[in-house]
Amino acid sequence: GAVVSQHPSRVICKSGTSVKIECRSLDFQATTMFWYRQFPKQSLMLMATSNEGSKATYEQGVEKDKFLINHASLTLSTLTVTSAHPEDSSFYICSAWHGGRGTSYGYTFGSGTRLTVV
Amino acid sequence: GNSVTQMEGPVTLSEEAFLTINCTYTATGYPSLFWYVQYPGEGLQLLLKATKADDKGSNKGFEATYRKETTSFHLEKGSVQVSDSAVYFCALSALQGAQKLVFGQGTRLTINP
Repeated sequence: GAVVSQHPSRVICKSGTSVKIECRSLDFQATTMFWYRQFPKQSLMLMATSNEGSKATYEQGVEKDKFLINHASLTLSTLTVTSAHPEDSSFYICSAWHGGRGTSYGYTFGSGTRLTVV
Repeated sequence: GNSVTQMEGPVTLSEEAFLTINCTYTATGYPSLFWYVQYPGEGLQLLLKATKADDKGSNKGFEATYRKETTSFHLEKGSVQVSDSAVYFCALSALQGAQKLVFGQGTRLTINP
């Protein structure tokens, strides 16, 4: 149980175009999802917290207009990188929080999306 | 603010060696603590977790005990395998519920046959 599917796994786009990354919870409802960015050989940097039906909460220093997050349903959150530039190339990972009783709650991560902007 | 500090890597061991990856944290209140593992090109997988002091999380031969007195959550395994080669992240969430995770910097582990 608690599976999160993230697509695409890899994408190459031209500079100036937009790219959408999807994060789906397959067998549970995720009221809250998180988007992270990971640079090579580094830790995960939280970009934003996405709540179903409301605006995302962005971390300090993350451009809201560049990284658009939509969480329109309990099973889907999307991250759109708008007007992508080579410096946006990175590994993006989503995570969904699933509640439960006692210690059964937790965070499940997607498999990540490798974005390369050329 | 809340933070997690892991021992710096990379760590290289021989197969069947004993593994310890240190993790200490700073947080107010009573955080939940996690260890995640990341294989190349993949997302993170939960390895184990502990939600209160003195809890021991365990999975696949790995163990970690929540030590509030030393604010630590060190990861241990008695006999590592080549397949354990990966990057390991210690993390905390400050409160129960859908709170963001705070990650350590990660420790790259390589096991040689």
